This record gives sequence, structure tokens and C-alpha cells, in this order.
Amino acid sequence: GDSVTQMEGPVTLSEEAFLTINCTYTATGYPSLFWYVQYPGEGLQLLLKATKADDKGSNKGFEATYRKETTSFHLEKGSVQVSDSAVYFCALSDEGETSGSRLTFGEGTQLTVNP
Amino acid sequence: DAGITQSPRHKVTETGTPVTLRCHQTENHRYMYWYRQDPGHGLRLIHYSYGVKDTDKGEVSDGYSVSRSKTEDFLLTLESATSSQTSVYFCAISLGVWDTDTQYFGPGTRLTVL
Repeated sequence: GDSVTQMEGPVTLSEEAFLTINCTYTATGYPSLFWYVQYPGEGLQLLLKATKADDKGSNKGFEATYRKETTSFHLEKGSVQVSDSAVYFCALSDEGETSGSRLTFGEGTQLTVNP
Repeated sequence: DAGITQSPRHKVTETGTPVTLRCHQTENHRYMYWYRQDPGHGLRLIHYSYGVKDTDKGEVSDGYSVSRSKTEDFLLTLESATSSQTSVYFCAISLGVWDTDTQYFGPGTRLTVL
């Protein structure tokens, strides 16, 4: 079945550091790929998505590129802020026979940014 | 904001009791989902619905049932709660026709089974 593997956390960075969170996947077909972010005590928010190979998703300074050849979707940000401290989830979609989609998530990576 | 509310937001119950969690949406989205979140597992799909009275099982459906008698409400029931069902439960919707892939999540329900 489909699976998503994220780099193990937690990750601790200083403000303005460069961020990379690795994500690789295994899937049949051509899934869409997502990054979600969860702030403390809240639900998941969509951060960015990409629907086909070589697509780049971007939002709020975060970027990720859909790499089919390496089955990866690594999240990057050039300069993190304290407000980026959260848990980040990589996910892929599996479009079912009845339409709609089912998401498969990675374990999540806790990011802490210190001033 | 996809207009999703969950109730209750927190619940403590005892082993063996039935529990029902409610997900309510205000925008007539066709697809609704229930996930559970546990440390080390990310989120895992329990059940989902693709229309009124149309539901299907997800990855971790044992011990759970769902019902959807109207578009706006998707109920998750634990018939006889167990301690292994202590978790945070999230409801999600997808927008349907124009974007079936992307899901939007509610605020979650923290359930503790003693």
C-alpha cells in the first residue's frame, strides 16, 4: 500500500536558519502530494500541494517540489521564524473508486525555532 | 475556513461506554472523513463518506462505526470504548468537483478512555 516517510524529529533551529524536512513516498499511480502544518492545540492546515511531477508548491516562504524520479517532496524554507514552530506533516492522496480522496500521512516532524 | 466544527472538543469516558463524536459542516461538501492522530503514527483514516448514507472503511476502522443521514453531519461512534481508542480525532472535508484531492480539517476532539 501507499506510505509516506518523513525525517525523524524533533528539529530545532535558530531564527533565520535554513529549513529542510525530508519526505519520501511509495505509491501506485500518480498521487498528489501535500504538506500540512499543525500549530499547538489546533487542527491541520494545508501549507502547500503539488499534483504532478516537477510541480513546485509554495506558500508563506515554504516550498516543495514533486520529484517523481526520487519519489520525494522535501519541504524547504530559506529563513525560519519563531512563528514557524509547529508540527509538519507530509501526505499523499489516493483517489478512490468512489471519487474523493484518502490521505496517507507521514509521522510528522516537530519543528522548534528559537529566537 | 471550510466551516467545519467538531463536538465535543474534549471528552473523558470509561472503558465499555459508547461514545459519539459529531462533525458538522456548513457548506454542503460531499466528501467527509474521520482520522485519528497518535504519536508516531501521524493521522490515520478511520472511515470516510462520499455522500448521504454512503460510507466506507479506512485503514483503522475496527471498533468504529459511522453514519451520515444528512449532508452536513458525519457521526463517528465507538460502540464500546477501549483505552486504545484514546486519541485526538479529526474530521475533514474535501471540496468535491473542482478539487477532490485537498482536504480541510476541523479543530479536533481529544478523547480519553479511562
